[in-house]
Amino acid sequence: EVLMTQSPATLSVSPGERATLSCRATHSISTNLAWYQQRPGQAPRLLIYGASTRAPGFPDRFSGSGSGTEFTLTISSLQSEDFAVYYCHQYDTWPDTFGGGTTVEIK
Amino acid sequence: QLQLQESGPGLVKPSETLSLTCTVSGGSIGSTGYYWGWIRQSPGEGLEWIGNIYHSGGTYYNPSLKSRLAISVDTSKNQFSLTMRSVTTADTAVYYCARQAVAAHIDCWGQGTLVTVSS
Repeated sequence: EVLMTQSPATLSVSPGERATLSCRATHSISTNLAWYQQRPGQAPRLLIYGASTRAPGFPDRFSGSGSGTEFTLTISSLQSEDFAVYYCHQYDTWPDTFGGGTTVEIK
Repeated sequence: QLQLQESGPGLVKPSETLSLTCTVSGGSIGSTGYYWGWIRQSPGEGLEWIGNIYHSGGTYYNPSLKSRLAISVDTSKNQFSLTMRSVTTADTAVYYCARQAVAAHIDCWGQGTLVTVSS
């Protein structure tokens, strides 16, 4: 099983600042990685797939990068609606696994 | 617009069977290239992939849960279902149904339903 580790667990950021979230896999997963945004009381929502392709409906301040075992989600200028929990998900190797999540909170 | 909606009991007793159904609207469960699956989230915890089914009936289960699981599909009703036997309090979670592109990301989630295992 591929284990996914996200860091940090919590990120405190002021509105307008940049946020950088990390996701690391125990084995290479190529670019078979997705990111999801989950707001309180809501289901996760696809944000990034293929490590770097942004899903419809998300602005270009969100970007994903990486391949192999190291991945990054960057939010260039945080807006109020971006404060949420972000999960990475590898779909390279069965069974699929998720990271533990990074909570982006208002500083 | 594709929508998924979970339904089923919100309370299950320990050692009994959890049964949930997902109704798909705005799209066909028979669409090629997609799995239909279940993911759960324990209170305050992260996400756990449970398993998937293809419209033809082929299934993939998380090995850690496989012995207790069954996922089935009813294409005539545009529904798929989850059955989990011998539940314990550790199975208390929000259960999401979802559509996943084959060997790819999850592109549509249901709103989730809380299932509590308690006597």
